[in-house]
Amino acid sequence: EVQLVESGGGLVQPGRSLRLSCAASGFTFDDHAMHWVRQAPGKGLEWVSSISWNSGRIGYSDSVKGRFTISRDNAKSSVYLQMNSLRPEDMALYYCVRDRNYDLHYGMDVWGQGTTVIVS
Amino acid sequence: SSELTQDPAVSVALGQTVRITCQGDSLRNAYASWYQQKAGQAPILVIYGETSRPSGIPDRFSGSNSGNTGTLTISGAQAEDEADYYCSSRDSSGNVVVFGGGTKLTVL
Repeated sequence: EVQLVESGGGLVQPGRSLRLSCAASGFTFDDHAMHWVRQAPGKGLEWVSSISWNSGRIGYSDSVKGRFTISRDNAKSSVYLQMNSLRPEDMALYYCVRDRNYDLHYGMDVWGQGTTVIVS
Repeated sequence: SSELTQDPAVSVALGQTVRITCQGDSLRNAYASWYQQKAGQAPILVIYGETSRPSGIPDRFSGSNSGNTGTLTISGAQAEDEADYYCSSRDSSGNVVVFGGGTKLTVL
């Protein structure tokens, strides 16, 4: 079964750090780019960051650039999001998402159930 | 600009056809993909690469692109199609992804 399982969310004070992890299973991990997408309560989807199959292409939204860092470990079939200098507006459900493509965004076809980050 | 604009809400009578649009400059160079999200659930991909459907998505869902506008069409809307729909695309650099603000679909 294709699956993405996020972990690492929780309650954190403003200005502190948190590291999210996403464990993938059921597919060839390094055949796919990966994304982090967040959703604040009652709000729409917001793309946060993406990483290509070999980490050669990385992107961040303007709202997190300079504070968040995405990385992946293909040997462990895992992707990570290091979040520093957290702000109240970063509070959201964070989804780990697989792209159909190995490099450029083409369609996010597998979503985890999300991990909640509360900044307060 | 990397923004994608969607109508906040659309309604359709049961069994009728509804079109949900997504506008943005990035769509001149990259196709829109479309996601359905029901309350309390993670989104699911319904259209990618402009017109392709993942396995398991009913063929009443279709997509198209023209100029700076992507369109999701649901032909013969069903009650279970009531959900929020989001489009996404990438910018010209390929490093930035953007979502539209979402369209809430009501099936009457």
